Amino acid sequence: QKEVEQNSGPLSVPEGAIASLNCTYSDRGSQSFFWYRQYSGKSPELIMFIYSNGDKEDGRFTAQLNKASQYVSLLIRDSQPSDSATYLCAVRSSSASKIIFGSGTRLSIRP
Amino acid sequence: EAQVTQNPRYLITVTGKKLTVTCSQNMNHEYMSWYRQDPGLGLRQIYYSMNVEVTDKGDVPEGYKVSRKEKRNFPLILESPSPNQTSLYFCASSWAGTDTQYFGPGTRLTVL
Repeated sequence: QKEVEQNSGPLSVPEGAIASLNCTYSDRGSQSFFWYRQYSGKSPELIMFIYSNGDKEDGRFTAQLNKASQYVSLLIRDSQPSDSATYLCAVRSSSASKIIFGSGTRLSIRP
Repeated sequence: EAQVTQNPRYLITVTGKKLTVTCSQNMNHEYMSWYRQDPGLGLRQIYYSMNVEVTDKGDVPEGYKVSRKEKRNFPLILESPSPNQTSLYFCASSWAGTDTQYFGPGTRLTVL
C-alpha cells in the first residue's frame, strides 16, 4: 500500500463546476497535509495546507481533513481552465521531517 | 527576488560519469530537500537537511550523496550515475517549523 494515494485521473470537469480531488494516507500519526498544484513542465506550487480536522477555505479552494478516515480532499469551486494542472497531495510524516507526496491527480477543466 | 535556483536545468550524461546538481536559495531557509519525479510515482524525497551539516535520508537515497556546508547551498551528487537515475529533480527549501516549501525550477537528467 502506498503511503499517500491519489487517483491519477485525468479528472475532467466543466468550467464553472466544482472539482473534487481526493487523497488517502496510511500513517495515522501524520500531522500536516498539503495540496500542491503543478502545471506541465513547471515546479510544484503550494496552494493549501491543513492541520486540523474539518474544512479550511481560501478563495475558491477548500481543503477538507478527516483524520479518523485518513482522508484529505481539495474542492475547487467555479473551476476555470487555468485550474487545469496536476494536483499533488502531500503529508508530513509522524517523524515530522519527511514529506511524502502522492503521485498526483491530473485535472482538466473543459470550457 | 526570493528564489531557489538549480543548475544545470538540463543534463545528458553517460553511465558512471560523476555529476553534481547545484541548488541555492536566497531566503535564509534552514530546511532544504531534494526530490525526484517520475511518471506515475510522483515526487519522492531523496535527502533532506534541517540545517548546516545536518542531513538525512529520504525515501530513495541510494546512489545519491548530499552535503550542506553552507546554509544557502545543498548540492546533489551522483558519484556513478546509472540509467535508472534518469528523472526530473527538484530542490526545495523552507524555514524551519513552517510548511511552505519553495521549489526550484527542476533539473531534467538523462543518463545514457
